[in-house]
Order: sequence, then C-alpha cells, then structure tokens
Amino acid sequence: DIQMTQSPSSLSASVGDRVTITCRASQGIRNDLDWYQQKPGTAPKGLIYAASMLPSGVPSRFSGSGSATEFTLTISSLQPEDFATYYCLQHNSYPWTFGQGTKVEIK
Amino acid sequence: QVPLVESGGGVVQPGKSLSLSCVASGFSFSGHGMHWVRQAPGKGLECLAFISYDGTKKSYADSVKGRFTISRDNYRKRIYLQMNSLRPEDTAVYYCARGDNGVDVWGRGTTVTVSS
Repeated sequence: DIQMTQSPSSLSASVGDRVTITCRASQGIRNDLDWYQQKPGTAPKGLIYAASMLPSGVPSRFSGSGSATEFTLTISSLQPEDFATYYCLQHNSYPWTFGQGTKVEIK
Repeated sequence: QVPLVESGGGVVQPGKSLSLSCVASGFSFSGHGMHWVRQAPGKGLECLAFISYDGTKKSYADSVKGRFTISRDNYRKRIYLQMNSLRPEDTAVYYCARGDNGVDVWGRGTTVTVSS
C-alpha cells in the first residue's frame, strides 16, 4: 500500500498568515492527489484535485502543487473559516490512503 | 436532496456483525465507483473499501480485509458494507463516498460503536 506522510500534524497561525502543508508519498503517484478540509462533526470537503486543480466554489487563496512523491497545499492568507483539519488523499492505486491530517488552529 | 445517505449504524458487541447501507440520489449511480471511508473518534480518515461502478472490482484496506465486504445494487442505487467480527477499534463514523479519481461526493456518515 502507498503510505502518505503529512506534515505538520498541527500548526498555530493567525488570520492573514500564509500556511503550507506537505504530503509525501512512499512511491510516485503522478498527480493523483487531492486535498480535503474537514470541520468538526462534518464530512470532508474537497479543496484541490489532481494536485493543483481548484474546484468551482473553492476560494482562490487555496492552491496545490507537486507531483510524483511531494505535494503541497498552500493557503495564501488564512481566514477565520479556514481553521479546520486538512487531509491529503492519494488515489493512484488501491487501497486509497489519506495523510494523517493537519489541524490548523488559531494562534 | 442529499446525494448519499448512510444508515445501519448503532451499538454492537465485539465479535458481532453489522451491515451498513448507503442510498444514492440525484446522479447516475451506476456510472461511479463508490467507497466506504471511516473516521475513529479524534482520528484521521481511512479508506476502507472500494467497489467499481459495475461491482466487478473491489479493494479493501488491510485493517478490514477478510472481515468486511462491500457490495452494490445498481437497481436500488445502494452500496452496502457487511462488517463481521467487529472489534472495539472499528468504532467510528462511517462515510459513504463517490469517487473515481478522488472523492467528489460524501455522505453525512453513520456512527458505529463496538462495545460490550
């Protein structure tokens, strides 16, 4: 199975900060990686697909980059509604696997 | 209209079985692969099982292989998760999800608690 290592596991940041989260895959996965945001008590919501594509309705402050084994999610200017937990998901091969998650908290 | 609605969760004793169901609406169900994803309390997300659009291909996480079985009924627009030999560590919210390249639709989840 492909292992996804996500870092950091948590971070504290202020509104307006630039935030970067990284996922590393144990083997190359091309760009078969998505990012999700989850708030307590709710299902995850898709933020980025195919490593760098933004679905309609997702604010442009979110961006993704990377390919093969290293991927990054960037929030250019953190907003109050962005405090949540973020997960990467590789869908290159079954079973699909998530990163461990990054909890973004208010500083 | 909620596209995916799970049911069947509840409290079950260790070693027992439970079956989850997920009904789809508002999209062409038979054209999509489907998944069960779970989240233990305070923990991250885990992809448990996948079934292809026609039911011919299935995949399982190692943690549930041999104990859980995914199936689907395209006529009834449902997927199922048969869970046998349940363990306390199977306690989680179980989400039904649609996806062929990543997950693009999530259900709201159903809670399974394995406890004596």
